[in-house]
Amino acid sequence: NAGVTQTPKFQVLKTGQSMTLQCAQDMNHNSMYWYRQDPGMGLRLIYYSASEGTTDKGEVPNGYNVSRLNKREFSLRLESAAPSQTSVYFCASSEATGGALHFGNGTRLTVT
Amino acid sequence: EDQVTQSPEALRLQEGESSSLNCSYTVSGLRGLFWYRQDPGKGPEFLFTLYSAGEEKEKERLKATLTKKESFLHITAPKPEDSATYLCAVQLGTSGGYQKVTFGTGTKLQVIP
Repeated sequence: NAGVTQTPKFQVLKTGQSMTLQCAQDMNHNSMYWYRQDPGMGLRLIYYSASEGTTDKGEVPNGYNVSRLNKREFSLRLESAAPSQTSVYFCASSEATGGALHFGNGTRLTVT
Repeated sequence: EDQVTQSPEALRLQEGESSSLNCSYTVSGLRGLFWYRQDPGKGPEFLFTLYSAGEEKEKERLKATLTKKESFLHITAPKPEDSATYLCAVQLGTSGGYQKVTFGTGTKLQVIP
């Protein structure tokens, strides 16, 4: 059972470049999330999707967009990367909003 | 403002030396408190959910407890494989929609053989 799979694992971008982080889960979960993790700070929610067809902003949505492609897949797009977006990005899923989160292993993004 | 504070930031134990990690919170309307374990280079792994004061959950050498203001993660006779960062998260109860989850910054535990 793969659980939550994220691609790529590592990425280096130049300021202004764009990219999409991919996430897929095989647990038939309804809710999916994108978090970022920075040193000295707790995980912070960027966007979430409570169910297929819906997306909503979290705490730090500026500079990001998301797409819930289907029940399994939830992607995060950076349209014009900035050095402040250097971080580790985690995708997570849960059966419903409010349940325990199941995380992928992250994408380590560096923006120079 | 909702806050979650974990202490200590780092803890070094000898194998077999029991100890506790603390997660204190100042939130109104707590719905649940979660504990996660995070290994280097990996995503957090769910351990426990606690819902009400007085509740306890156990898994192997770990026991989580909850009061009205804090939670403890007790580690009994730890082994080197228990070395990880332990994250606490609190979930607020709201009517409908997303129920906000606030994460602490974690306690990095190192268990020395």
